[in-house]
Amino acid sequence: AQKITQTQPGMFVQEKEAVTLDCTYDTSDQSYGLFWYKQPSSGEMIFLIYQGSYDEQNATEGRYSLNFQKARKSANLVISASQLGDSAMYFCAMSPFSSGSARQLTFGSGTQLTVLP
Amino acid sequence: DAGVTQSPTHLIKTRGQQVTLRCSPKSGHDTVSWYQQALGQGPQFIFQYYEEEERQRGNFPDRFSGHQFPNYSSELNVNALLLGDSALYLCASSSGPSPYGYTFGSGTRLTVV
Repeated sequence: AQKITQTQPGMFVQEKEAVTLDCTYDTSDQSYGLFWYKQPSSGEMIFLIYQGSYDEQNATEGRYSLNFQKARKSANLVISASQLGDSAMYFCAMSPFSSGSARQLTFGSGTQLTVLP
Repeated sequence: DAGVTQSPTHLIKTRGQQVTLRCSPKSGHDTVSWYQQALGQGPQFIFQYYEEEERQRGNFPDRFSGHQFPNYSSELNVNALLLGDSALYLCASSSGPSPYGYTFGSGTRLTVV
């Protein structure tokens, strides 16, 4: 079974500053993927970034980067140069990729990010 | 190019009733996965449909059932509704069973009174 823990229910950041959203995970699978999604008030889950468990480099996508520390089982999301439009709920999720494992996403409880002008 | 379309957007039902939610996948996608998101929580996996069959199922009772049609669209049915079934129901489509490449719809907000 997989478990995702997001310990920050809410975070505030000043516009143009960087912010880190924490995520730790637990799994017995050797091959897995880690995902971050953004959910605005409209409800749609918007994919931000992906990290494979065997990827040696930390993933980056524009202003988003994933600080992957495999030994510590953490996958923190870093948003640089925050914008007002970044205000939303952010979810960390994972899926096993091992043969025979169920290919489904397990989500954390989320972090509500508010960007202040 | 249309993304994932879910209908209806909002729904109010009475306890004990039955409900059907619909999902049209993104063009080129053949797999549909359904998630339930209770207020203030992360989504939970209900089940996944591929080639018109249920391929995976999460920890949900048999009151939750589904169907996939030849055009890859899908329905989620919930019988004997409980107050606890009130949630946002999200549909995600993909090409194959892997969640890498998921596209989510905006969801159906179900309220059971």
